[in-house]
Amino acid sequence: GDQVEQSPSALSLHEGTGSALRCNFTTTMRAVQWFQQNSRGSLINLFYLASGTKENGRLKSTFNSKESYSTLHIRDAQLEDSGTYFCAAEGPGGYKVVFGSGTRLLVSP
Amino acid sequence: EAAVTQSPRSKVAVTGGKVTLSCHQTNNHDYMYWYRQDTGHGLRLIHYSYVADSTEKGDIPDGYKASRPSQENFSLILELASLSQTAVYFCASSVRWGGGAETLYFGSGTRLTVL
Repeated sequence: GDQVEQSPSALSLHEGTGSALRCNFTTTMRAVQWFQQNSRGSLINLFYLASGTKENGRLKSTFNSKESYSTLHIRDAQLEDSGTYFCAAEGPGGYKVVFGSGTRLLVSP
Repeated sequence: EAAVTQSPRSKVAVTGGKVTLSCHQTNNHDYMYWYRQDTGHGLRLIHYSYVADSTEKGDIPDGYKASRPSQENFSLILELASLSQTAVYFCASSVRWGGGAETLYFGSGTRLTVL
């Protein structure tokens, strides 16, 4: 079965507001990476975490391997934040990376 | 800045035809990957490679072959293209996955339509 459950599947925000995206893992993961897929389809690296929390501007991500989840917080959302956000997690076996199904984010004025 | 270049950007192929998608990286990365993305879904791993002249099967290898003739180049080959292989294909590279600050660097994708 699916090892990465991403939620919500879709999210609408007004400019200036914020929310959190979440990935739950059904097995122990060693690390997680978050990507934004923009309107042109390009995948942009946001964060790589083996543990703890990282912050970059209006984005913050946390990875809790013991409780098997990761979150991506967006604050003060801007129109250019629209896109699809994916988490990708590395399983214990090494190379194997499993992607979530994505959260489609729409930021409106 | 890591650079992964895919060609072509888009392709229309006929059922039963042969399709080759190319990927070139200038990052000096050992690992290269081919992923497939279907509309509204995440990415699934088709093949990967960690050294030249060797490839490994990913999660959905059926119907695909891969070739890694050099560290920089990694190709995905559809010998007999089928309608179900219509998708966007992404190539990626990494130093290695896990164990540090390594990340996956993706190309811009190839949109393949099989008619």
